Amino acid sequence: GAGVSQTPSNKVTEKGKYVELRCDPISGHTALYWYRQSLGQGPEFLIYFQGTGAADDSGLPNDRFFAVRPEGSVSTLKIQRTERGDSAMYLCASSRDSYNEQFFGPGTRLTVL
Amino acid sequence: KQEVTQIPAALSVPEGENLVLNCSFTDSAIYNLQWFRQDPGKGLTSLLLIQSSQREQTSGRLNASLDKSSGRSTLYIAASQPGDSATYLCAVTRRYAGGTSYGKLTFGQGTILTVHP
Repeated sequence: GAGVSQTPSNKVTEKGKYVELRCDPISGHTALYWYRQSLGQGPEFLIYFQGTGAADDSGLPNDRFFAVRPEGSVSTLKIQRTERGDSAMYLCASSRDSYNEQFFGPGTRLTVL
Repeated sequence: KQEVTQIPAALSVPEGENLVLNCSFTDSAIYNLQWFRQDPGKGLTSLLLIQSSQREQTSGRLNASLDKSSGRSTLYIAASQPGDSATYLCAVTRRYAGGTSYGKLTFGQGTILTVHP
């Protein structure tokens, strides 16, 4: 079956612009996670959805970051007023529920000039 | 706060060698531990998941062990091949009171493995 997909694969934007990153989880997976990975580092947790609700958003770095999952499937990570420090690989993962193996998408490489 | 450390940071071996990658974590209250592989510029591929009640898991040439009390896991790769070259990451999820987990992964920084022909 289809895995987790993320679009776009690459996004280049200018400082101060708004960006949206999309994640399509594996069908039927109720848990969805966003992580951010800087070069040479392990991924860091941003936010976790169980169904439509954000069960844990403790990893969002500040109020410029926001994520939604309105129908309990596709999720969008939104970044306002982007800064150069936001440049990173943004990874999405899904699992059947919060107790099971997580499957990752290919990521979106965000570059803020 | 959970901290995950992976040693070594990088490893270069000739093809055919057996090798061990190490992962340690500071808080033993984990729900499970997962090993991943990441190719340059790509997402993560899950290799093995070990529940906190398990001691090891095997998949093909890979064997992962878990010693929760000492806060350690190892990933053993048998008969390494050039195609095994990648970054290997371990990650743990926390066990909360009542045995629940939110699945939030805490990662180590990874071990960069190079297998040369």
